[in-house]
Amino acid sequence: DAGVIQSPRHEVTEMGQEVTLRCKPISGHDYLFWYRQTMMRGLELLIYFNNNVPIDDSGMPEDRFSAKMPNASFSTLKIQPSEPRDSAVYFCASRGLGSYNEQFFGPGTRLTVL
Amino acid sequence: AQSVSQHNHHVILSEAASLELGCNYSYGGTVNLFWYVQYPGQHLQLLLKYFSGDPLVKGIKGFEAEFIKSKFSFNLRKPSVQWSDTAEYFCAVNAFDYTDKLIFGTGTRLQVFP
Repeated sequence: DAGVIQSPRHEVTEMGQEVTLRCKPISGHDYLFWYRQTMMRGLELLIYFNNNVPIDDSGMPEDRFSAKMPNASFSTLKIQPSEPRDSAVYFCASRGLGSYNEQFFGPGTRLTVL
Repeated sequence: AQSVSQHNHHVILSEAASLELGCNYSYGGTVNLFWYVQYPGQHLQLLLKYFSGDPLVKGIKGFEAEFIKSKFSFNLRKPSVQWSDTAEYFCAVNAFDYTDKLIFGTGTRLQVFP
């Protein structure tokens, strides 16, 4: 099992640029979660999907953030335009049926916006 | 609203010392409980979990946690820490009948000195 895969692992961009983060959940998992981790705010849930449908996006900070899950094996988190305060580590996690809500985390994408 | 409190923000220990990290949650219904560990520069990994049954749960690397329902607590323990236990530890709770989300505590940073 390859686990949750995220790309890129590191991203450095300039303010105003579009950033796209990618996630491949564990095969067979039907839930996918996007988190953001910063020193100041800790681990925050941004959005989660069930069977490719967004269920709760109340954690998305503002309209500059959007997330999609076009199929069961792929999700994107997009920031447009990016700002320096978006600098953080973004984690994707997935969960399967019958797992009692245990989530499996990917390695994260470290985003730096200059 | 559900919440998770980790009262110890930063713990410093010498090798072989005993460890106990506190975790309290606020939810009166059925819960699933987790401790995750994040080693420096890495993603979150599951340390142990409680769903039902024996309230004393054993995890990887010699860690254990005890669920005390009357105290709404799920404290993490290890009798003798090692330098390699240096990491950040997150308690997480799922209100089983209410939401798919995991509510994370703010984390406890553990530093173990040789």
